[in-house]
Amino acid sequence: DIVLTQSPGTLSLSPGERATLSCRASQRVSGADLVWYQQKPGQPPRLLIYGASIRASDIPDRFSGSGSGTDFTLTVTRLEPEDFAVYYCQYYEGSLTFGGGTKVEIK
Amino acid sequence: QVHLQESGPGLVKPSETLSLTCNVSGDSISRSYWSWIRQTPGKGLEWIGYIYYTGVTNYNPSLKSRVTIFLDKSETQFSLNLRSVTAADTAVYYCSRSAKPHYFSYGMDVWGQGTTVTVS
Repeated sequence: DIVLTQSPGTLSLSPGERATLSCRASQRVSGADLVWYQQKPGQPPRLLIYGASIRASDIPDRFSGSGSGTDFTLTVTRLEPEDFAVYYCQYYEGSLTFGGGTKVEIK
Repeated sequence: QVHLQESGPGLVKPSETLSLTCNVSGDSISRSYWSWIRQTPGKGLEWIGYIYYTGVTNYNPSLKSRVTIFLDKSETQFSLNLRSVTAADTAVYYCSRSAKPHYFSYGMDVWGQGTTVTVS
């Protein structure tokens, strides 16, 4: 089974700063099936990125995804106040798995 | 606008069956993949399984022996049965829709608000 490990567990940044979040797979995976979500307290996850780098509908271009093989990255170029949340990566290949999440908090 | 709404008992006794329904409005259930996901503070997000509009299902191997997901004949709802529950099944349960009608691996773009189920 593929395990997704996200790091860091918590990222403390200020608005306007750049956030770089990592998602590492336990074995090589297809980037076409790598997805990122954002979740705020009391809300369901929101789809941000699919296919490792394709922004979903209505997602601002400050969000970008990259990576291949076992290492994937979600970058938020300039954090807005509404971007402080928990971010999850997800992979599907016969069975679906989520990473443990990275919390982006205000410093 | 597509809207999903979970419904069902908030409290289930150990060893009984947890039954939830997801009502779909603004979209046809006769396309796309429809999933159940749960979330706990300890285990994070956990995919339970999906049903495709054709009736094909796929379940998380760790839950497969206890799970059934099925479409309602009204074609506006789909449901989850989780048998023989324990306290470990206490979670927020979400229903969701695949972002692409015929591709499950591109993520889930519409989610219900979630319903809390406690096993006690």
